[in-house]
Amino acid sequence: ELKVEQNPLFLSMQEGKNYTIYCNYSTTSDRLYWYRQDPGKSLESLFVLLSNGAVKQEGRLMASLDTKARLSTLHITAAVHDLSATYFCAVISGGSNYKLTFGKGTLLTVNP
Amino acid sequence: NAGVTQTPKFQVLKTGQSMTLQCAQDMNHNSMYWYRQDPGMGLRLIYYSASEGTTDKGEVPNGYNVSRLNKREFSLRLESAAPSQTSVYFCASSAITEGYGYTFGSGTRLTVV
Repeated sequence: ELKVEQNPLFLSMQEGKNYTIYCNYSTTSDRLYWYRQDPGKSLESLFVLLSNGAVKQEGRLMASLDTKARLSTLHITAAVHDLSATYFCAVISGGSNYKLTFGKGTLLTVNP
Repeated sequence: NAGVTQTPKFQVLKTGQSMTLQCAQDMNHNSMYWYRQDPGMGLRLIYYSASEGTTDKGEVPNGYNVSRLNKREFSLRLESAAPSQTSVYFCASSAITEGYGYTFGSGTRLTVV
């Protein structure tokens, strides 16, 4: 059974600081997704990482994937308040059914 | 606008009542999914439909049934609602084979009293 673990689950940081969210998964997979969710809203796709060594960047967020270590990171550079949200990683289960298994999410709060 | 449409957005049920959550997508995706989201639990898969005409159980299927009515529509039914089913429900569709993730609906906030 595929397990996806994120840490930390709660992250409070100051504006201007850097930090990294980690996503570990338990079985082989070469597709990993990052989503953002604002309070009371739906999930918004941030990044799709499809191969070992993939790196994607959008603004102050950068995601990477190491399939050998079964690890993805979401790096936040010079955080701003607008980045406050819950971030989820999700991994494809494999096989032909393409089910996504989600981590529990990281609640990020960026303080002025 | 293209996307996933869920109805209703909010619902309050009494214990034992039944209801159906509706979901439709207009992106010609083959796969559709129902998730529930509870505080501190992330999203958990209830049922999914890999293609029209097929449905399969996910991680937490007990107390739910689904129908893949056609390629566009995938409904979730609660036959006898229980307080433990109080949650936010998300429908999603995907074209995973093209390397993309899921597109999520706006969610249904369900309270069972």
